[in-house]
Amino acid sequence: GQQVMQIPQYQHVQEGEDFTTYCNSSTTLSNIQWYKQRPGGHPVFLIQLVKSGEVKKQKRLTFQFGEAKKNSSLHITATQTTDVGTYFCAGQGSTDKLIFGTGTRLQVFP
Amino acid sequence: EAQVTQNPRYLITVTGKKLTVTCSQNMNHEYMSWYRQDPGLGLRQIYYSMNVEVTDKGDVPEGYKVSRKEKRNFPLILESPSPNQTSLYFCASSRDTGTRRHFGNGTRLTVT
Repeated sequence: GQQVMQIPQYQHVQEGEDFTTYCNSSTTLSNIQWYKQRPGGHPVFLIQLVKSGEVKKQKRLTFQFGEAKKNSSLHITATQTTDVGTYFCAGQGSTDKLIFGTGTRLQVFP
Repeated sequence: EAQVTQNPRYLITVTGKKLTVTCSQNMNHEYMSWYRQDPGLGLRQIYYSMNVEVTDKGDVPEGYKVSRKEKRNFPLILESPSPNQTSLYFCASSRDTGTRRHFGNGTRLTVT
């Protein structure tokens, strides 16, 4: 069945450093969504990518969808302590099921 | 305010004692689902519902039941909870299967 792998599992960075998390699917996706979960909170939707090769930006966050629509990345420039949390990708394949990755937990040290 | 409301937030129970976690959304969404979150495993779907009276199994349905008698409510039922169901549970809703999920605040369940 469809699987979505996410790496790394954890990332500790100094405030001001960049951060990237990667998402890989075993099958071609129709779209991919990204969510952020603050410690003790619930996942909150960030963005959805639909087109092959799509790149979207939200302030310091850059989201990419691969050309083959099987991978995606989230890059944060100059991290801040407010970026702390777990970032999940979620891919939707031909079955319409949305499969969540295992998440990347980001810790930012001031 | 558009929201998904889950109750209770925290629940400690004993093995075998039936419990229900409620979930309600006020956005008139067709699609609702339940997830459990465990360390290192991400969010795994338990059950989902595409409309009233239509429910289907997700990836980890064993030991759980759901119902969708009304559009806004999607309760999760554990008929005979076991310790391996200790987890953080999230209810989510969306307009349809392809759109963003709106999550509730979560229910942390401990089964002893």
